[in-house]
Amino acid sequence: EPEVTQTPSHQVTQMGQEVILRCVPISNHLYFYWYRQILGQKVEFLVSFYNNEISEKSEIFDDQFSVERPDGSNFTLKIRSTKLEDSAMYFCASSQGTGPSYEQYFGPGTRLTVT
Amino acid sequence: AQSVAQPEDQVNVAEGNPLTVKCTYSVSGNPYLFWYVQYPNRGLQFLLKYITGDNLVKGSYGFEAEFNKSQTSFHLKKPSALVSDSALYFCAVRGGTYKYIFGTGTRLKVLA
Repeated sequence: EPEVTQTPSHQVTQMGQEVILRCVPISNHLYFYWYRQILGQKVEFLVSFYNNEISEKSEIFDDQFSVERPDGSNFTLKIRSTKLEDSAMYFCASSQGTGPSYEQYFGPGTRLTVT
Repeated sequence: AQSVAQPEDQVNVAEGNPLTVKCTYSVSGNPYLFWYVQYPNRGLQFLLKYITGDNLVKGSYGFEAEFNKSQTSFHLKKPSALVSDSALYFCAVRGGTYKYIFGTGTRLKVLA
C-alpha cells in the first residue's frame, strides 16, 4: 500500500537556525498538508497546499514558515529561524481530493528538537 | 468553532474484552468524523470515517464506530480487543475544506 514518507525522522537544531523538513506524498495525491504535535498536546493543522499554492493556513503558520513543492515528488516545510517552541513532531499528509469522502494519509512524522 | 474532545487519556482493557474509546464533537453543519491510530514510530493510520448514512461505521482491523447525533458522540468500539490494538487513538473532525481538527488522543492498553 502506498505510504507518505518523511525525512529525517529526528532533527536537532539550534535556536535561530533554518530547518527543512521533507515529505514524499502518495504519488497520485493532489493535496498536501502539514500538521504538528507539541509533546502531550493536540495534533494541530498548519497549512494545506494545492496546485503550487497555499490553500489554507492556521495562525501558527506565520512568516517564519514556508512550504514548497520543488519537484514532482517532494513537499517541504521550511522554518526560517527556529524557536524553542517550534520543538514538536511534524506530520505531513496528502489526499486525492478535499471532499468528505477523501481521507488524509499521514506520514510517520519528523521530531524536531530546538535547543 | 469546530472541536473534538477525547475525555480519557488512557483506556485499559483485558484481551478478549470489548473496548470503547470515547469521542464527542462540536460542529456547525454536517459532521465529518474520523478515527486514526498511531503505533510507535509510525504515522497516523486511517481507521474509519462517518460522512453520512448508517450510524454504525465499520473500519479496518475489526474496529467500528457509532455516530450518535443527539449525544454528539462518535465512540470507537471493538468487540474483542487484541494486545496488538495497543496504540494511540485520535478522533478528528473536518474543520473546513482542508483541515482536520484532532482530539488530544487516547492511549489504549490491552492487557494479556
